[in-house]
Amino acid sequence: GDSVTQMEGPVTLSEEAFLTINCTYTATGYPSLFWYVQYPGEGLQLLLKATKADDKGSNKGFEATYRKETTSFHLEKGSVQVSDSAVYFCALSDSGSARQLTFGSGTQLTVLP
Amino acid sequence: NAGVMQNPRHLVRRRGQEARLRCSPMKGHSHVYWYRQLPEEGLKFMVYLQKENIIDESGMPKERFSAEFPKEGPSILRIQQVVRGDSAAYFCASSTDRGLQETQYFGPGTRLLVL
Repeated sequence: GDSVTQMEGPVTLSEEAFLTINCTYTATGYPSLFWYVQYPGEGLQLLLKATKADDKGSNKGFEATYRKETTSFHLEKGSVQVSDSAVYFCALSDSGSARQLTFGSGTQLTVLP
Repeated sequence: NAGVMQNPRHLVRRRGQEARLRCSPMKGHSHVYWYRQLPEEGLKFMVYLQKENIIDESGMPKERFSAEFPKEGPSILRIQQVVRGDSAAYFCASSTDRGLQETQYFGPGTRLLVL
């Protein structure tokens, strides 16, 4: 079945540091890939997505490129801010499934001033 | 345009009681999904519904759990005879009917605590 493996956290960085959160996936079809962010006590917000190989999703300085050859969708940001502190979830939606999202276990990011 | 709304935000039940969680999708969205997030874990799919139809309930426990999305009103996730292991955050998401890859938008969740 489908699965998503995320880099384990927690991750602690200083403000303006470079961020990478690794995500790899296994899917039977041709999935769309997503990064969601969850702030404390809140629901998930879509951060970015990519629907086909070599697509790059970007939003708020975050980027991720859909790499079919390595089945990866790593999240990056060049300079993190304290306000980026949250839990980040990688997810996929497989074209062969009935729309359900499969999530990774989440990575807690803390950015220190 | 209001987002996905869920209520209550927090729910406390004693073992054996019933829990009812409500979800109102975004305006114009006809598809609703329920997910469960156990402590320190990612979200797990439970059920996918359209108006008056359950499309996929492959993630729902076979007993005590049920879901509906009536023609009028919110979607309801019902848990009968709750047990401590049901304590979790339950998230609802909604999407439009524009294809399999349409983005799901999430509500703030209902945090259920079973004493």
